[in-house]
Amino acid sequence: AQSVTQLGSHVSVSEGALVLLRCNYSSSVPPYLFWYVQYPNQGLQLLLKYTSAATLVKGINGFEAEFKKSETSFHLTKPSAHMSDAAEYFCAVSVNSGNTPLVFGKGTRLSVIA
Amino acid sequence: GAVVSQHPSWVICKSGTSVKIECRSLDFQATTMFWYRQFPKQSLMLMATSNEGSKATYEQGVEKDKFLINHASLTLSTLTVTSAHPEDSSFYICSVQADTGELFFGEGSRLTVL
Repeated sequence: AQSVTQLGSHVSVSEGALVLLRCNYSSSVPPYLFWYVQYPNQGLQLLLKYTSAATLVKGINGFEAEFKKSETSFHLTKPSAHMSDAAEYFCAVSVNSGNTPLVFGKGTRLSVIA
Repeated sequence: GAVVSQHPSWVICKSGTSVKIECRSLDFQATTMFWYRQFPKQSLMLMATSNEGSKATYEQGVEKDKFLINHASLTLSTLTVTSAHPEDSSFYICSVQADTGELFFGEGSRLTVL
């Protein structure tokens, strides 16, 4: 079975500061990993995904994540936070890209302080 | 534009009534759709996998007679919450999988049962 652990339910950064949201996964087979963002009362929007190609994955809105097998991690980063980045972020894992639902972490709420 | 459309976005109903939520795939035909439930400030929990032309597959602990899923066409899946009670109040999100494997999420439907 797969699982995802997101460290920190709430992260607060200053505008312009580095954003680091942590995600560790557990999977018995090579995983597919995803980061989604959710704004209040909205569905999920895909930020980026890792599908066994490059370990450093670049996504939308300046976000990127690095797959580290040795650490079973897939942390999300952004060099400079913007006020519009304030949202809920979910890390998710799947065992393949076809017809398998995602298993989500509990989410991390990102606050950006002016 | 939106790939997945959910309707209604918000619904308030009295305890004991039934509520139907629709999930439409706008850009492609989907043999598989997923229904998730999200409690306030929590992650998404998979409820069931909706299969076009066959019975849905429910996750452990989800009452299939309580949450009726119908996937009558390749572009529409419906979730009916029968005899709703206040504890059923939640945010329900559907997800559609494209042939590429990418998942697209609806904007969610917030159900409040009085």
